[in-house]
Amino acid sequence: NAGVTQTPKFRILKIGQSMTLQCTQDMNHNYMYWYRQDPGMGLKLIYYSVGAGITDKGEVPNGYNVSRSTTEDFPLRLELAAPSQTSVYFCASSYQPGQIKYEQYFGPGTRLTVT
Amino acid sequence: EDQVTQSPEALRLQEGESSSLNCSYTVSGLRGLFWYRQDPGKGPEFLFTLYSAGEEKEKERLKATLTKKESFLHITAPKPEDSATYLCAVQGMNAGNNRKLIWGLGTSLAVNP
Repeated sequence: NAGVTQTPKFRILKIGQSMTLQCTQDMNHNYMYWYRQDPGMGLKLIYYSVGAGITDKGEVPNGYNVSRSTTEDFPLRLELAAPSQTSVYFCASSYQPGQIKYEQYFGPGTRLTVT
Repeated sequence: EDQVTQSPEALRLQEGESSSLNCSYTVSGLRGLFWYRQDPGKGPEFLFTLYSAGEEKEKERLKATLTKKESFLHITAPKPEDSATYLCAVQGMNAGNNRKLIWGLGTSLAVNP
């Protein structure tokens, strides 16, 4: 049981480039989330999904897009990267059908630098 | 507005010196309060969920307690390997079906040998 996996671990982008951050979970969780974490700012929710084919915006969605075609995968797309998107990105998942537990389980993170 | 405040921001302890971290919350109907541990360069690691006032949970040297306004994470006889940032989050009834969490900024704990 690998839990939540994220790739890549590190990435450097030039301003204006695009990339996709990959996230996969093998816990049969319905809910998946993307956060960014900046020093002193805490975890900010970018996008979330309550199931395959269903996504919605969080607190800071501008500059990002997501899709959820399967239960397992929830990729985050950055279009036209900007220095303000330099951050550490975490994917999380929660809620297995039939269980009354809503704690979120996190991946190891992707450290992104935009220069 | 749902809100979580953690204190202190940073705490330095000597090995064996017990202490407590605080998480104060304001939420419209508490569904759950969550404690996480985060090591540098890693993702948050789930520790505990507390659902109702009076509930307590323990894991090794950690014990989490919950009242109607706050939660405490008690650390008994800490060791250097307990050094990490401890995050608190709440889920309120307003979270709806998406089960979003409201996060605190964390307490950075350093335990000196």
